[in-house]
Amino acid sequence: DADVTQTPRNRITKTGKRIMLECSQTKGHDRMYWYRQDPGLGLRLIYYSFDVKDINKGEISDGYSVSRQAQAKFSLSLESAIPNQTALYFCATSDPGTRGETQYFGPGTRLLVL
Amino acid sequence: GQNIDQPTEMTATEGAIVQINCTYQTSGFNGLFWYQQHAGEAPTFLSYNVLDGLEEKGRFSSFLSRSKGYSYLLLKELQMKDSASYLCAVRDEGNYQLIWGAGTKLIIKP
Repeated sequence: DADVTQTPRNRITKTGKRIMLECSQTKGHDRMYWYRQDPGLGLRLIYYSFDVKDINKGEISDGYSVSRQAQAKFSLSLESAIPNQTALYFCATSDPGTRGETQYFGPGTRLLVL
Repeated sequence: GQNIDQPTEMTATEGAIVQINCTYQTSGFNGLFWYQQHAGEAPTFLSYNVLDGLEEKGRFSSFLSRSKGYSYLLLKELQMKDSASYLCAVRDEGNYQLIWGAGTKLIIKP
C-alpha cells in the first residue's frame, strides 16, 4: 500500500544539538511538506517542495532547514534545537493532478527538546 | 488576516448526530478540507468542498457556503471510534497553501 513514513517516531534531544527528521513516500507524489503541530494550534507549515529542485519556506521556517534528496525523500533539520521546537512534526505529500490536491500525512515524529 | 475558527471541544452520544462548524476568513479561497485525527496519530482525509452545497460520504457529510465563509461536518450514527479531533483547512488562493484550524475534539459517550 502506497505510504508516507517518518523516522524516528520519537526523539529526545538537548538544547543546541543538530537533529534530522526523515520522511519517505511510496505514493509517487512530487509535492512534499513539513508541518509542526502544537497543542491548541493548527498545523503550521515549515517548508514545502514541489519537486526535487524546488524548496520553499513556509510560515515558520526560522531555525529549520530541509533537503529534498529524491522525489521520495524530504528531510527536516533543526540546526540548533531549542525547547520551543518541542512539538509533533508531520510530513505530508500531494499530487497536483488529483481533485483538490489532498495532502496525505505520515505518522508523525514526536520531538522533545530539553 | 487569515483565520479559521472551530469549537475547541464537543460532546455527543453514541448513535446520535453531531455537527461541527468551521468559519473562515481568508484572502482567497480555493477549497476546504476536513480531516480526522486520532490522538497522537496522523490526520486522515475525510472530505473536500470547493463549490457550495453538501458532499455526502457514508456516515459523514460536509457542507460549504462560500458567501458566508462557513462549513460544517455532519457525523451520523456516531460510533465510539469517531472520538477524535476534526480539523478544518482552507486552501489559500494566493500561495495555494493550506491554512489550518486548531481542530475540534469530539468526545463520544455511550
